Amino acid sequence: GQNIDQPTEMTATEGAIVQINCTYQTSGFNGLFWYQQHAGEAPTFLSYNVLDGLEEKGRFSSFLSRSKGYSYLLLKELQMKDSASYLCAVSYGQAGTALIFGKGTTLSVSS
Amino acid sequence: IAGITQAPTSQILAAGRRMTLRCTQDMRHNAMYWYRQDLGLGLRLIHYSNTAGTTGKGEVPDGYSVSRANTDDFPLTLASAVPSQTSVYFCASSDSGLYGYTFGSGTRLTVV
Repeated sequence: GQNIDQPTEMTATEGAIVQINCTYQTSGFNGLFWYQQHAGEAPTFLSYNVLDGLEEKGRFSSFLSRSKGYSYLLLKELQMKDSASYLCAVSYGQAGTALIFGKGTTLSVSS
Repeated sequence: IAGITQAPTSQILAAGRRMTLRCTQDMRHNAMYWYRQDLGLGLRLIHYSNTAGTTGKGEVPDGYSVSRANTDDFPLTLASAVPSQTSVYFCASSDSGLYGYTFGSGTRLTVV
């Protein structure tokens, strides 16, 4: 079956760096996505990795190792507004371009 | 309209009633999806459509049906609602799947 694991909750302080890990086991792999979701809102796209390595986008970076079925999202210079759920998702091809999501990691940033 | 519009925003529905959740996009995306999001379970795919005229089943399709008569619209129907279908429903669309999905703002459905 398809499975995506990520920690349920994490806490950090303003200005710090936090790494959210994601491991996956899927039948096929087309790419890995990270989404941010604030409470009561829709998920919004953060990053996409299809090849191994690090993708950097401002304060956010995402890493992928396909051989290990592993990804992480790195958030630098944390701000209070980064308090949200972070969703790891994999496109594995059996359902076209549909994604299977992990259960999400709730990040709480305190001052 | 800009992006994806879902309606209604929220609904309280009596068990056994039929309900259609509406989803319309104006981005001419080929693929559209319906997910439900439940506390502790995350987002789960109900049905998807890779292009107008085709649909497919996701992880949790039972009790739901969809149609894709044209590119823009992708309604989700609950034929006879049950309390376990209480959830937040998100519609999403993508062009090639390579640059992320656009989600609607969601429909909060309560079946009593």
